[in-house]
Amino acid sequence: DTGVSQDPRHKITKRGQNVTFRCDPISEHNRLYWYRQTLGQGPEFLTYFQNEAQLEKSRLLSDRFSAERPKGSFSTLEIQRTEQGDSAMYLCASSPPGLAPYEQYFGPGTRLTVT
Amino acid sequence: GIQVEQSPPDLILQEGANSTLRCNFSDSVNNLQWFHQNPWGQLINLFYIPSGTKQNGRLSATTVATERYSLLYISSSQTTDSGVYFCAVERRFGNEKLTFGTGTRLTIIP
Repeated sequence: DTGVSQDPRHKITKRGQNVTFRCDPISEHNRLYWYRQTLGQGPEFLTYFQNEAQLEKSRLLSDRFSAERPKGSFSTLEIQRTEQGDSAMYLCASSPPGLAPYEQYFGPGTRLTVT
Repeated sequence: GIQVEQSPPDLILQEGANSTLRCNFSDSVNNLQWFHQNPWGQLINLFYIPSGTKQNGRLSATTVATERYSLLYISSSQTTDSGVYFCAVERRFGNEKLTFGTGTRLTIIP
């Protein structure tokens, strides 16, 4: 029984470059969530999908950020024109179908450093 | 939005000691989860506990939803218990997003 996987685990990029992260949820989980965690803080919600539909986006998700889940399976989070303030751990979570509320299971995260 | 406060922010204990971590929240919730974040950043699910009491080995948790708090108990602490413990809640009618507290950093000294 594999958990949520994320790729890459670490990414170092120069300011102004674009980066893309991938998240593979637990098999048969139809809900997928993205969070961001900065040093010393708890994770903060960015966006979530039910199947391929993006149902909510936080105001933290500026125009430079875009998330997709085209076939309702894996998801990608792209950051365009990265800034130093984007340096953070990006966490993905998934939860199974069924009746609310939904327990969320997290992946290992992608640590982004913008130089 | 909902506010989540955790206390204490830091806790240093000798191996074998017991501890209680507290999570207060400001509104009614559908969901409450406790996580342990290991040194590599992985969030490990400890409890899914919107109400009531659960136990898993040396760990147990209690949520009193009507009074808007939850407690995590760790007994006979081991060095592997070190890390940051987060409480996260989903506000009732909150569209499934979890709001996290700022965590309790637990350090267990051998």
